[in-house]
Amino acid sequence: AQKITQTQPGMFVQEKEAVTLDCTYDTSDPSYGLFWYKQPSSGEMIFLIYQGSYDEQNATEGRYSLNFQKARKSANLVISASQLGDSAMYFCAMRLLSNFGNEKLTFGTGTRLTIIP
Amino acid sequence: DTGVSQDPRHKITKRGQNVTFRCDPISEHNRLYWYRQTLGQGPEFLTYFQNEAQLEKSRLLSDRFSAERPKGSFSTLEIQRTEQGDSAMYLCASSLYRGRGTGELFFGEGSRLTVL
Repeated sequence: AQKITQTQPGMFVQEKEAVTLDCTYDTSDPSYGLFWYKQPSSGEMIFLIYQGSYDEQNATEGRYSLNFQKARKSANLVISASQLGDSAMYFCAMRLLSNFGNEKLTFGTGTRLTIIP
Repeated sequence: DTGVSQDPRHKITKRGQNVTFRCDPISEHNRLYWYRQTLGQGPEFLTYFQNEAQLEKSRLLSDRFSAERPKGSFSTLEIQRTEQGDSAMYLCASSLYRGRGTGELFFGEGSRLTVL
């Protein structure tokens, strides 16, 4: 079974600073994908960034980057130059990439990020 | 709006009543997922469809829960004889599956259920 662990229930960060949200995962399957989602108070899960287990380079999407350390089974999200609009819940998730498996995601418990002006 | 839409957004009901939620996925998407999110937790997988076929159900989906996607488009999730433990946000997501690991999930804003 897969498991995602997010050990930071909440974080407060000054506007314009960089922030790292921690995520560790556990799976015995060698083929998987790691995701980060943002959930504002409206409830919608917004996709931020994706990293495949066989990707050699860390994923980047604008101000978001994923610090993927496969041996340590960690997939931390780095947000550079934080903005007030970044205040939200952030979830790390994993999907197994088996041939006939579904695309269901296993989520962590999330980190509530608050940006301080 | 061409995203995933869910209805109703909020539902308050008394214990023992039946409730039904509807999800309209992005029109060309062939897969549709239901997740449940309780307070302070991440979403948990309930079930998913490929077109009209329900391919997997989680053990979380007790026999009081039923989901359908009759024509491979919209889906309904019905909860019979609701219990207070059913209070949660019910999230729907859809994707265009074309093979191994290629489908990004797009989520709706969820339907929040409160059982009194």
